[in-house]
Amino acid sequence: KQEVTQIPAALSVPEGENLVLNCSFTDSAIYNLQWFRQDPGKGLTSLLLIQSSQREQTSGRLNASLDKSSGRSTLYIAASQPGDSATYLCAVYRYGQNFVFGPGTRLSVLP
Amino acid sequence: GAVVSQHPSRVICKSGTSVKIECRSLDFQATTMFWYRQFPKQSLMLMATSNEGSKATYEQGVEKDKFLINHASLTLSTLTVTSAHPEDSSFYICSARIGATGNTIYFGEGSWLTVV
Repeated sequence: KQEVTQIPAALSVPEGENLVLNCSFTDSAIYNLQWFRQDPGKGLTSLLLIQSSQREQTSGRLNASLDKSSGRSTLYIAASQPGDSATYLCAVYRYGQNFVFGPGTRLSVLP
Repeated sequence: GAVVSQHPSRVICKSGTSVKIECRSLDFQATTMFWYRQFPKQSLMLMATSNEGSKATYEQGVEKDKFLINHASLTLSTLTVTSAHPEDSSFYICSARIGATGNTIYFGEGSWLTVV
């Protein structure tokens, strides 16, 4: 059974810092991995999707990497801003099945 | 724009009543839809998988008589929380897959249910 963990559970940083969020999964037979953002009281916003054949994806200040063999992904946020404060979820997808989500990392960027 | 629409986004209901949440695929036919729930400060957990025209498959520990799922058409799945109680208060979100085993899945915006 696939299990997804995320470290750290919570993170508080001053504005402007670069930071790394970590995601680990136990079953490397994934089709893709996706990073989401969830704002308090709101739904999910997809940030980056990495196919299993890819090593990384970039969007603006966000960069996600994937090492499928070791069961790890990282989300790098450059020059963090208060507006980045949210919970970040990673989820892995196995072809023909469903997403399995990690518990999330709660990020707080202080002005 | 959103390709999966979920409604309502927020709902408050009294304990003992039932509430229905809709999940619609807007630009595609969704053979399979998934329903997840998220308790405060916890991860999203799969509740059930629904295939159009057949009974939903529930995950272990999810009461199928309490959480009724109907997937009567290729663009609509509904989740009805029957006889809701405060402990059912949660964030519910659906996702829809193109085709039976496709690799493209879209998520709805989610629904916040508060039972008072």
